Amino acid sequence: DAKTTQPNSMESNEEEPVHLPCNHSTISGTDYIHWYRQLPSQGPEYVIHGLTSNVNNRMASLAIAEDRKSSTLILHRATLRDAAVYYCILRDVPPLSSGSARQLTFGSGTQLTVLP
Amino acid sequence: GAGVSQSPSNKVTEKGKDVELRCDPISGHTALYWYRQRLGQGLEFLIYFQGNSAPDKSGLPSDRFSAERTGESVSTLTIQRTQQEDSAVYLCASSSRGQGSTGELFFGEGSRLTVL
Repeated sequence: DAKTTQPNSMESNEEEPVHLPCNHSTISGTDYIHWYRQLPSQGPEYVIHGLTSNVNNRMASLAIAEDRKSSTLILHRATLRDAAVYYCILRDVPPLSSGSARQLTFGSGTQLTVLP
Repeated sequence: GAGVSQSPSNKVTEKGKDVELRCDPISGHTALYWYRQRLGQGLEFLIYFQGNSAPDKSGLPSDRFSAERTGESVSTLTIQRTQQEDSAVYLCASSSRGQGSTGELFFGEGSRLTVL
């Protein structure tokens, strides 16, 4: 799996937008960009994913660079409950007919601290 | 149940004892993953099951670790002759490879293992 690079930590003020960057310069054409987050003492949870176009959902927005070598997770109004480790992951989902097993590799992620 | 269920949630054992950790995936999910997360560290891939395909065991750290899965249901991770360095949270995740699936992983709350 192609690797991703994220800052170790970021801080944000409550109710302000947060832009979490991710570099993935070796991304392949079939890699989806996934974001997960892990709140303290919990398992990771899915946030958002995309392939080429920017994506929005109830949790966040994902902005993908035109060359796909980087992406940014956007939390529009950070709350204290958004404090977590955010993981950017590339996932090549093989065709249904493929029997290959594909692991999902998590990097060290970005620790987001939200200040009241 | 609605989510991935893991048991026990906490396990304290003595060095040298064997432990079994159980994971009940979301019904209908064909893929199942085990990860290990040491205190303050990222997720470390252990093993991946996909339907009837041979599991990807490439992440198992030693032959003391093994995992089984019955069909597309319950999985058990077994650690024999536990060592103190095995202390960690063991996370299980499942995902669907159904038509149109994005491969989103759903994680359980984890099993916290402490080896004294």
